[in-house]
Amino acid sequence: DAKTTQPTSMDCAEGRAANLPCNHSTISGNEYVYWYRQIHSQGPQYIIHGLKNNETNEMASLIITEDRKSSTLILPHATLRDTAVYYCIVRVWGQAGTALIFGKGTTLSVSS
Amino acid sequence: DTAVSQTPKYLVTQMGNDKSIKCEQNLGHDTMYWYKQDSKKFLKIMFSYNNKELIINETVPNRFSPKSPDKAHLNLHINSLELGDSAVYFCASSQSEGTYTQYFGPGTRLTVL
Repeated sequence: DAKTTQPTSMDCAEGRAANLPCNHSTISGNEYVYWYRQIHSQGPQYIIHGLKNNETNEMASLIITEDRKSSTLILPHATLRDTAVYYCIVRVWGQAGTALIFGKGTTLSVSS
Repeated sequence: DTAVSQTPKYLVTQMGNDKSIKCEQNLGHDTMYWYKQDSKKFLKIMFSYNNKELIINETVPNRFSPKSPDKAHLNLHINSLELGDSAVYFCASSQSEGTYTQYFGPGTRLTVL
């Protein structure tokens, strides 16, 4: 799986949009971008994934650049409960049982 | 309704003991995983099972033995526990078709004294 690069930490004011970048310059054509987060002491939580089109769900939006070498996770209105470590993971599609390769992630701190 | 559950949540034991951690999922998935998160917070895959068959077996000491009695359960048995086994262990599950999105349990914090 391709490696990803994320900033170590970011801060965001409550109610503002949190934009979390991820670089995956070596991504292959059959690799998807997944985002997970881990709130303190809890299990990782799936947020969103995409291939090349922008995606939106009830939690977040995912913007993938046209060359697919980077992406941005957007939390439109961050709350204190969004404080967590956010992981950007690139994973080959179509392989049952393959692992998620977690990096260090970005620690997002949302403050009031 | 808990999707992926683990028992126990906390486990404190002495070196040399044998212990088991249980995982159950009610999502109808056919693939299950064990991940380990060490004190530095790195999450790493240990095992994965698809339809009760072992798919991934990372470089894990053979003191660790996963057992999948059916598709909804994947238990982790650890023999001769060592200090270095202290960590948080997460179970996860996914479908083998479609999105392959993995859903994680709440974790089991194992402390070996």
